[in-house]
Amino acid sequence: TQLLEQSPQFLSIQEGENLTVYCNSSSVFSSLQWYRQEPGEGPVLLVTVVTGGEVKKLKRLTFQFGDARKDSSLHITAAQPGDTGLYLCAGANNNNDMRFGAGTRLTVKP
Amino acid sequence: KAGVTQTPRYLIKTRGQQVTLSCSPISGHRSVSWYQQTPGQGLQFLFEYFSETQRNKGNFPGRFSGRQFSNSRSEMNVSTLELGDSALYLCASSSKRDPIFEQFFGPGTRLTVL
Repeated sequence: TQLLEQSPQFLSIQEGENLTVYCNSSSVFSSLQWYRQEPGEGPVLLVTVVTGGEVKKLKRLTFQFGDARKDSSLHITAAQPGDTGLYLCAGANNNNDMRFGAGTRLTVKP
Repeated sequence: KAGVTQTPRYLIKTRGQQVTLSCSPISGHRSVSWYQQTPGQGLQFLFEYFSETQRNKGNFPGRFSGRQFSNSRSEMNVSTLELGDSALYLCASSSKRDPIFEQFFGPGTRLTVL
């Protein structure tokens, strides 16, 4: 059983569309991270959110941490083929033990 | 600053053999964690080392072991390889001194067991 549930598991969209992926848990996290991973490579850290209700923007990507620090969302505006990859969320507790969701595999078609 | 490096990048072994994978963390990082990633199970935590001591361990059999050296470099060993051990093995380093806990991953070692 995944401590962190990510949805959807798979997402295939056309270039230019918007999308949101979700990361949910029943546990409270001291911080939550989002990564993007391309085939055969390690995950690359995109952002870390710490405060409940926090919103961070990274160009066309918007990350939000839930008020209760149990969930998070990633919104991509005007998706591009270069956004294709596996998006992973990971939550850390107060002991800095980190657990990962199963990921959302995003495909953006030109 | 150089990132996390892992060697080798690719490895092919046969059942019953053993394998050692190496990870060099970001300079100054003293914590190294190891993960196994497979299409069916996703990222599964193996263990974490900090200052040469195993701090945490995931739910893997004793065939999986690791160690950390005084320069923070880490190795993991898998003995008596099984077909199901085929996976991408990732290590991640972090600085326990930073107020926000962040992990940075290496490119991984792709292990194929035949």
